[in-house]
Amino acid sequence: SQQGEEDPQALSIQEGENATMNCSYKTSINNLQWYRQNSGRGLVHLILIRSNEREKHSGRLRVTLDTSKKSSSLLITASRAADTASYFCATPTQGGSEKLVFGKGTKLTVNP
Amino acid sequence: DVKVTQSSRYLVKRTGEKVFLECVQDMDHENMFWYRQDPGLGLRLIYFSYDVKMKEKGDIPEGYSVSREKKERFSLILESASTNQTSMYLCASSFPIGSGGYTFGSGTRLTVV
Repeated sequence: SQQGEEDPQALSIQEGENATMNCSYKTSINNLQWYRQNSGRGLVHLILIRSNEREKHSGRLRVTLDTSKKSSSLLITASRAADTASYFCATPTQGGSEKLVFGKGTKLTVNP
Repeated sequence: DVKVTQSSRYLVKRTGEKVFLECVQDMDHENMFWYRQDPGLGLRLIYFSYDVKMKEKGDIPEGYSVSREKKERFSLILESASTNQTSMYLCASSFPIGSGGYTFGSGTRLTVV
C-alpha cells in the first residue's frame, strides 16, 4: 500500500524551540492528515489539509502541503514538554478512499 | 465528549483461544476500522466497515474476522489466537473522510502466550 514516510524518525529539542517534521508520500491524494500518539495510547487527529490547500494553522500547529513534491510538513511552535509524543502523517490509500495509510511516525521529545 | 471505547486496555490470552475485541463509538460514524500497531511496522489496517453488516479487508486480514451488527459497534475476532498476533490493537471511526479525521480508541494491548 502507498505509505507516507516521516522524517526524521526521532527528534529531541528543548522547551520553547520549534519542531519540524516532514512527510513524503507516493501517489496523488485529496487530503493528508497528521495525528499525535502519546506513549501507549490511541492516536489523536490534529489536522487535515486538502490537496487544494497549501498551508493550514491550528493553534501552535502549522501544516504545509506541496503536492508537486508530494510532501508535507508539520511545524509545532514554542514546544512544551506536553508535546512529547509520536507524530504520524496519514494519506488515503487511493484518491478519495476512506481508508488511511499511516507512516511510521516521528518520535518527538521535548526536554524541560 | 465524543469517543471510541475499546473494551479492554490489556488482555492476555492463550494460543488457540478465540478472542473478541470490542469497539463502540458514540458519534454515529459510518466508518469503523481495526488497525494493529507493531514496533518498526507502524499501523496496519486489518479490516474496515463502511456500514452495518458491510466489511472490507485491509492489508493484513489473515487470522482475523469482524462483525458489525449495529452501527456503533465493531468487533474484531481472532478465530484461533497465535503468538504472532501479540500486538497493540487500535479501533477508529470516522465520517466520510473529507469531513474530518479518524477518532481512535485508547487501544488494547493483547498478549498471546
